[in-house]
Amino acid sequence: DIQMTQSPSTLSASVGDRVTITCRASQSISGLLAWYQQKPGKAPKLLISKASNLNSGVPSRFSGSGSGTEFTLTISSLQPDDFATYYCQQCNTYPLTFGQGTRLDIK
Amino acid sequence: EVQLVESGGGLVQPGGSLRLSCAASGFTFSDRYMDWVRQAPGKRLEWVGRIRNKEDSYTTEYAASVRGRFMITRDDSKNSMFLQMNRLKTEDTAVYYCVKDSGSGKHFDYWGQGALVTVSS
Repeated sequence: DIQMTQSPSTLSASVGDRVTITCRASQSISGLLAWYQQKPGKAPKLLISKASNLNSGVPSRFSGSGSGTEFTLTISSLQPDDFATYYCQQCNTYPLTFGQGTRLDIK
Repeated sequence: EVQLVESGGGLVQPGGSLRLSCAASGFTFSDRYMDWVRQAPGKRLEWVGRIRNKEDSYTTEYAASVRGRFMITRDDSKNSMFLQMNRLKTEDTAVYYCVKDSGSGKHFDYWGQGALVTVSS
């Protein structure tokens, strides 16, 4: 199975900050990576697919990049609504696998 | 508006069975691959399995942790998907999400609200 590892696991930041979350795959997944946002008690929401494609309705302050085994999710200027847990998912090979999550807290 | 609504969750004893349903609306259900993803309390998301569409013969894929115990089926005439869970274990305790494949890759563009399954004696 492809292991997905996110860093950091927890991130404290302030409104207006620029933050970056990294996701590493244990083997190459080309550009087949998705990012999701999950708030407590809610279902995840798709932010980005194929490493850098912003999903419809997602604010442009979110961006994704990377290929192969290393990927990043960047939020250019944190807004209050962005404090949540973020997950990456490899979409290359079964079984589909997720990272352990990055919890983004208010500093 | 796309909606996915799970039902059938609850408390079951180890070794027991449970069947989850997912009612879909707002898109052409029969065209889409559909999946189940679960999340144990405080844990990461875990993909459970997939069922393809009629064009792809309704074939399925499963995570190793559930293969042979869980079965995914669908009824396109009722815009519904099902997860039959047998020989349940305590480690199957989780919120189970019905998810819609985007159609352009193995990522999920819509999620249901989730159904809680608790396996405990």
